[in-house]
Amino acid sequence: EDKVVQSPLSLVVHEGDTVTLNCSYEVTNFRSLLWYKQEKKAPTFLFMLTSSGIEKKSGRLSSILDKKEPFSILNITATQTGDSAVYLCAVRYNFNKFYFGSGTKLNVKP
Amino acid sequence: DAEITQSPRHKITETGRQVTLACHQTWNHNNMFWYRQDLGHGLRLIHYSYGVQDTNKGEVSDGYSVSRSNTEDLPLTLESAASSQTSVYFCASSESAGTGTYEQYFGPGTRLTVT
Repeated sequence: EDKVVQSPLSLVVHEGDTVTLNCSYEVTNFRSLLWYKQEKKAPTFLFMLTSSGIEKKSGRLSSILDKKEPFSILNITATQTGDSAVYLCAVRYNFNKFYFGSGTKLNVKP
Repeated sequence: DAEITQSPRHKITETGRQVTLACHQTWNHNNMFWYRQDLGHGLRLIHYSYGVQDTNKGEVSDGYSVSRSNTEDLPLTLESAASSQTSVYFCASSESAGTGTYEQYFGPGTRLTVT
């Protein structure tokens, strides 16, 4: 059965810390992996990854994919309270369908 | 600006009633999706559509139906609401193949409570 598993389920850190969020998956017909940030409402897009070993970076956030294992990580450096959110990992398979993980809830304390 | 809207934002209904949740997008996207989000389950796909008159079942489609009569709208109907359908429902849309990231643009969500 196809699945996407995120870890940890929740995380509490202090401002300035670096965090690593994990997403492993078992999905047939893998096409790409996407990361979203959800702050009490609709998820918003962060990154899309299709190739192993190529890091995507946006400010303090970065992500990389390993298709061999397979998994992806999302790193956030110098965390801020505004980074507090649920981070969702989604795997696109077949044409344009997605499996979502259950998310990692990040709480950044001042 | 293009957007995707959902209505109502909150709904309380009784068991057995038919309920329709609206989703409207102005992105001109062919692909539209309905998800439900429950604690511990993330987002689960209910139904999806790749274009007008096209509808497909997702992983949790029992008790739900959709119709696609135009590009902009994909209403979700709960034929006979059950307490197990209490959830937050998200509508999303995305571009078709060959253009960009396939990222999905999500609506603000509808919180449905079935009593």
